[in-house]
Amino acid sequence: EPEVTQTPSHQVTQMGQEVILRCVPISNHLYFYWYRQILGQKVEFLVSFYNNEISEKSEIFDDQFSVERPDGSNFTLKIRSTKLEDSAMYFCASSAGQRANQETQYFGPGTRLLVL
Amino acid sequence: DQQVKQNSPSLSVQEGRISILNCDYTNSMFDYFLWYKKYPAEGPTFLISISSIKDKNEDGRFTVFLNKSAKHLSLHIVPSQPGDSAVYFCAASARAGNNRKLIWGLGTSLAVNP
Repeated sequence: EPEVTQTPSHQVTQMGQEVILRCVPISNHLYFYWYRQILGQKVEFLVSFYNNEISEKSEIFDDQFSVERPDGSNFTLKIRSTKLEDSAMYFCASSAGQRANQETQYFGPGTRLLVL
Repeated sequence: DQQVKQNSPSLSVQEGRISILNCDYTNSMFDYFLWYKKYPAEGPTFLISISSIKDKNEDGRFTVFLNKSAKHLSLHIVPSQPGDSAVYFCAASARAGNNRKLIWGLGTSLAVNP
């Protein structure tokens, strides 16, 4: 069964460093998302991406964040200068389309980011 | 932001009995609702969804009920099994152009006891 994959599973970094989180969405999906979950808090939407551009981004997704689909398979989230409060579990998700039965988002296993 | 609420942080059920997980929402623009199951250190796994044009959707042991007038949905698991023990998240979305961001509840931790 097709699945979303994410690498790395864990990332420890120093405050101020850049990190790139990688995702491989399900191959025929067209809509891509990043979410994050800070420990003990809700899962929060960060950004959605379709047709090689951002569809919507949340207030969290400031200038330190960027997303890219560098090739036909990868979808990356870059945090340019990490802050302590960026420590969270980051989830990538993808969906096939916008029609009924295509809208379900399927999630990867997540990347646990710890900023020291 | 409390658009999606799961007011019960935890639920304990005996194996074989019914588990009922509840979710309330405030945004009347939501038209698609999903339930996800999550184990520690894993990503959310899709369980079942329902469109706002329906009031019930069933898939095996899982049934989701939607009451639009009350802005309430529930997930029924019957019979419950020990392997169902996990955190269950309710999520909702509204169509907005090329975007279907999910708004999440805090989750309900279900324990099914043998």
